[in-house]
This record gives sequence, structure tokens and C-alpha cells, in this order.
Amino acid sequence: AQSVTQLDSQVPVFEEAPVELRCNYSSSVSVYLFWYVQYPNQGLQLLLKYLSGSTLVKGINGFEAEFNKSQTSFHLRKPSVHISDTAEYFCAVSVPDDKIIFGKGTRLHILP
Amino acid sequence: DGGITQSPKYLFRKEGQNVTLSCEQNLNHDAMYWYRQDPGQGLRLIYYSQIVNDFQKGDIAEGYSVSREKKESFPLTVTSAQKNPTAFYLCASSSQGTTGPPSGNTIYFGEGSWLTVV
Repeated sequence: AQSVTQLDSQVPVFEEAPVELRCNYSSSVSVYLFWYVQYPNQGLQLLLKYLSGSTLVKGINGFEAEFNKSQTSFHLRKPSVHISDTAEYFCAVSVPDDKIIFGKGTRLHILP
Repeated sequence: DGGITQSPKYLFRKEGQNVTLSCEQNLNHDAMYWYRQDPGQGLRLIYYSQIVNDFQKGDIAEGYSVSREKKESFPLTVTSAQKNPTAFYLCASSSQGTTGPPSGNTIYFGEGSWLTVV
């Protein structure tokens, strides 16, 4: 069965510092992976997704993620965060019947 | 603009009442979904529909019901049988619902509806 594990429920980081949000997955079928962002009191917005090809995926707002098949990971990174990046971030995997399973989320706190 | 509209944004329900959350999309998407979000729990799938007049239960369907009479509409009813309905509810859609192996289609979300039982 497919599943997604986000290893950190909360990540504090100083403004302009780099950040990495960790995600591990398990899947017995073709792997399609997503990162979504949720700003307070809003729906989810797609940051980026991996379908195939290059393992380094670039998304919106300066975020990128690297697909690592041997480590079953899809970590999200940004080289320099801004206060506007304060949000909750969800890793997700596509499963049969075109459903998506989400991790429990990581809250990113930007410290001034 | 194309998108997914959920209403109402905030809803209060008395114990024992049924309430219906509206979800409308003008993206011409075939598949629609309802998720429930609780703090620290991530998103959990309630129901999904890949085509008009057809829908399937997700992981936490008990106490909920849906209908899909039109392509653009997928309302969710929270019944009195749902023991703990207070949560944030998210409607979503994707361009093509398929059975079998995943296709990697992106799921797009509405702005969500807050339901509180008083």
C-alpha cells in the first residue's frame, strides 16, 4: 500500500536561511509525487510535482525537490526563505484510481 | 476565472442536524473529491467521483453522503451520524478520473469550508 511520511511536524528557520522539508514515501506502483502548500485558512496550492525524467524538480516561489528512488524520498528545499513562506506544506503520492494520499503536513515557521 | 468554489466558508451546525456543503467547479474536470482536514492529521479522503452519476467511498465515508448529478457539482452532506464533524472540509477536482494505475494528474483545491458543531 502507498503511504507518505513527513518526518517533521514543525520546522522553525530564520529568514533568509535555507530550509529542507523531508518526505519519505512507499509505493508498489509507478511513483508520482507532489508537494502542496497551504496558507492559513485557505485551500492547497500545487508547488511542484514529479512524474518522470529529471530527479530535480523546480516549482513555484523558488522551491525545488529531489526525487531519490533508492532512499524513497522526495525532500523539498529552498535556498533562502522569506516571511511569506510561512505556511503548512504537504507531501503527497498518487495512488490507483487517481486518488492522492497526503502526509500529515509540516508547518514552516519563519523567524525574523 | 476558472476554479473551484466552495460555500459557505463558515457553517455552524447544531447537534443532530444534517448540513450540506456546496462545491462547484468550472474547470470542466471529470473527477471531484472531498477531503477532511483536522489539525495534525493531514487530509483524509471522504468521497470521490470520477464521472457523473458515480462516486466511491474514501477512507472516512461514515456519516457523510454525496451526489454527482452534474459534472460541475459535487455537494457533501454531513449527517447527524457523523460523530465528530467539526473540521475544515476541502473540495478538489482533477482533469481526468481514471481507474487502475495512477496517472499523475494534479488535483486542484477550493478554498475550503469550516464546519463547527455548536
